[in-house]
Amino acid sequence: EPEVTQTPSHQVTQMGQEVILRCVPISNHLYFYWYRQILGQKVEFLVSFYNNEISEKSEIFDDQFSVERPDGSNFTLKIRSTKLEDSAMYFCASSGVGHGYGYTFGSGTRLTVV
Amino acid sequence: DAKTTQPPSMDCAEGRAANLPCNHSTISGNEYVYWYRQIHSQGPQYIIHGLKNNETNEMASLIITEDRKSSTLILPHATLRDTAVYYCIVRVANRDDKIIFGKGTRLHILP
Repeated sequence: EPEVTQTPSHQVTQMGQEVILRCVPISNHLYFYWYRQILGQKVEFLVSFYNNEISEKSEIFDDQFSVERPDGSNFTLKIRSTKLEDSAMYFCASSGVGHGYGYTFGSGTRLTVV
Repeated sequence: DAKTTQPPSMDCAEGRAANLPCNHSTISGNEYVYWYRQIHSQGPQYIIHGLKNNETNEMASLIITEDRKSSTLILPHATLRDTAVYYCIVRVANRDDKIIFGKGTRLHILP
C-alpha cells in the first residue's frame, strides 16, 4: 500500500532556530496537509495545500509557519523561529479521490524544542 | 468543534468483537461517517467510511443506523495490535471539508 514518508522521525532544535520538516506524499495525490499533536492532546489541523497554494489554515498556523512544495514530490513545513510550545508530533497527510477523499498520514516527526 | 460523541475508553477481550459506538445526531445529508485510529503516537490510520449503507472491508465493519444519527465500528476479532485511539469523524467526502479529530475512544484489548 502506498505510504506518506516523513523525515526526520525525530528532530531536536534550540529555541529560536528554524526547522524544516519534510514529507513525501503519495505520488498521485493532489491534496496535502499538516497536523500536529502536542503530547497527550488531540490531533490538530494546521494547514491544507492544493494546486501550489494554501487552501485553508488554522489559527495555530501563524506567520512563523510556512509550507512549500519545492518540487514534484516533496511537501515541507517550515517553522521560522521555534518556541518551546512548538514541541509536538507533526503529521503530514495527503489525499486523492480514494477512500472518499480520506487522508493517508505519515508516521510523523517528533519535534523537540529545547 | 467535533460533530461526534464517543465514549472516552472501552475494554475488549482479545479474540472478541470490539463494538465502538459513535453519536452524530446533527449529521447532514451529504456528510459521511469516517473512522480512523491512532496506535500510540503513530500517524492516524484510515479504517472505513460510509454514508448510509453498512460497509465492510478487511479491517472492520461499519453499521449506520437508519436515521444516521449514530453508528458502530466493529472489529470482528480484536487482537492486541488493535489497542489504539479510535476516532469517529463526520465530514463531506470532498477535498474541501478537512478532517477534524476529537478525543476519540481509547480501546484497550485485554489478553
